[in-house]
Amino acid sequence: DIHVTQSPSTLSASVGDRLTITCRASQSINSWLAWYQQKPGKAPKLLIYKASTLETGVPSRFSGSGSGTEFTLTISSLQPDDYATYYCQVFSGYWTFGQGTKVEI
Amino acid sequence: QVQLVESGGGVVQSGRSLRLSCAASAFTFSTFSMHWVRQAPGKGLEWVALVSFDGTNTFYADSVTGRFTIARDNSKNTLYLHMNSLRPDDTAFYYCAREGRATRFHTLDLWGHGTKVTVSS
Repeated sequence: DIHVTQSPSTLSASVGDRLTITCRASQSINSWLAWYQQKPGKAPKLLIYKASTLETGVPSRFSGSGSGTEFTLTISSLQPDDYATYYCQVFSGYWTFGQGTKVEI
Repeated sequence: QVQLVESGGGVVQSGRSLRLSCAASAFTFSTFSMHWVRQAPGKGLEWVALVSFDGTNTFYADSVTGRFTIARDNSKNTLYLHMNSLRPDDTAFYYCAREGRATRFHTLDLWGHGTKVTVSS
């Protein structure tokens, strides 16, 4: 079974900061990786798919990169609306989520 | 508008059964594979099950295999999750989600708002 490690688990940041969240898979997943944003009491929202493709309507301050086993989500300039929990999700026969990264003040 | 709406959650005793439903609207439901994903209180997301667009193929997480059954009725644009032998650790919000197509393959590109299931011991 594939193992997915997302880090950090919590990230304290201020408006305007540049943030990077990392997702590592225990085996190569090519580019079958997506990033989601979840706010309290809400469903997850797709941000990025195929490791680096921005979903329609998602602000360009979000970007994704990586291939193989290591991937990153970057927020270039944190905005007040970005305080949330972020999850990576990989596909390697099954769908596996990372543990989540809570972005807080 | 394009949306998924879950229903059927509630409080149930350990060992009992429950059926969740997910009604799809404003897209061609019969052409998309569909998933259930759950989230225990204060925890992360856990993939539960997938059914192919035509209902012929299903896949399950190890934690629910043999107890849960995913199914769909394309004539009613509805997805189901039949949950048997429920345990307290099945307590969670249950989301239905649509699998994307083409470059969004293996990605969950549309989510419902979720329905809460509480299993009491």
